[in-house]
Amino acid sequence: DTEVTQTPKHLVMGMTNKKSLKCEQHMGHRAMYWYKQKAKKPPELMFVYSYEKLSINESVPSRFSPECPNSSLLNLHLHALQPEDSALYLCASSPRGTGGLETQYFGPGTRLLVL
Amino acid sequence: AQRVTQPEKLLSVFKGAPVELKCNYSYSGSPELFWYVQYSRQRLQLLLRHISRESIKGFTADLNKGETSFHLKKPFAQEEDSAMYYCALVETTSGTYKYIFGTGTRLKVLA
Repeated sequence: DTEVTQTPKHLVMGMTNKKSLKCEQHMGHRAMYWYKQKAKKPPELMFVYSYEKLSINESVPSRFSPECPNSSLLNLHLHALQPEDSALYLCASSPRGTGGLETQYFGPGTRLLVL
Repeated sequence: AQRVTQPEKLLSVFKGAPVELKCNYSYSGSPELFWYVQYSRQRLQLLLRHISRESIKGFTADLNKGETSFHLKKPFAQEEDSAMYYCALVETTSGTYKYIFGTGTRLKVLA
C-alpha cells in the first residue's frame, strides 16, 4: 500500500458539532502532516507529527486538535469550528520528517464545509 | 521570513511550445526546493526536487542561487501537462522540516 488515505471525502458540519478527520498510511512513514488549503490558495501547514509526537504546531486555533494514536494513523478533531474554517484538509506523510530532503506523499483531502 | 513567489497565477501556452514556470525564493540558509503538481481531480504529488537534478515528464528545474530562482522548464508542452504547479521551499525548524508553498501557477496547454 503506497498511498495516503483520508476519510471522509466530504464533511458538512455545524458550528456546534464535533467531528474528526482521519488519515492513514501503511508505508512505514514516521512523519505525518496536516495542511489546510483554501480555494485557489496553496496548502498551509497546520501540524507536524514526527515519531508520533507533535513537533510543529503552526499556531493553529485550539478548535483543531490533532492526534496521532500510532505511526500509521493521524486524526484531526474538530470542535466549534467557524465558517471560515471551510477548506480542503490535506494529510501527508514522509519517511522520517527529520533531517535531509524527503518527499511528502499527500492524501486526496477531506473537503470540509462549516455552516 | 522565508518566502516563495510564483508571479504567474495562470500560464497558457500552445501544445509544442516551450514552457517556463517561474519560482523565486528568499531563504537565509542553503535552500532545498521542490516542484509539486496537482492534476485535475488528483492529489498533490512530487514532480521533481532540485537535489536530484533529474528530469521528470520532460520537466527540468535548475537552482540559480545568484538569482534566487528555481524555474520549471519544458521544451515542448503537452496537453496532459495542464495542471496546477506549486514551488515549495523546505524550512528546517528544530530538526523538523516543513514545506513553504508558493501560491501556484495554473498551466493550461492549448491544442
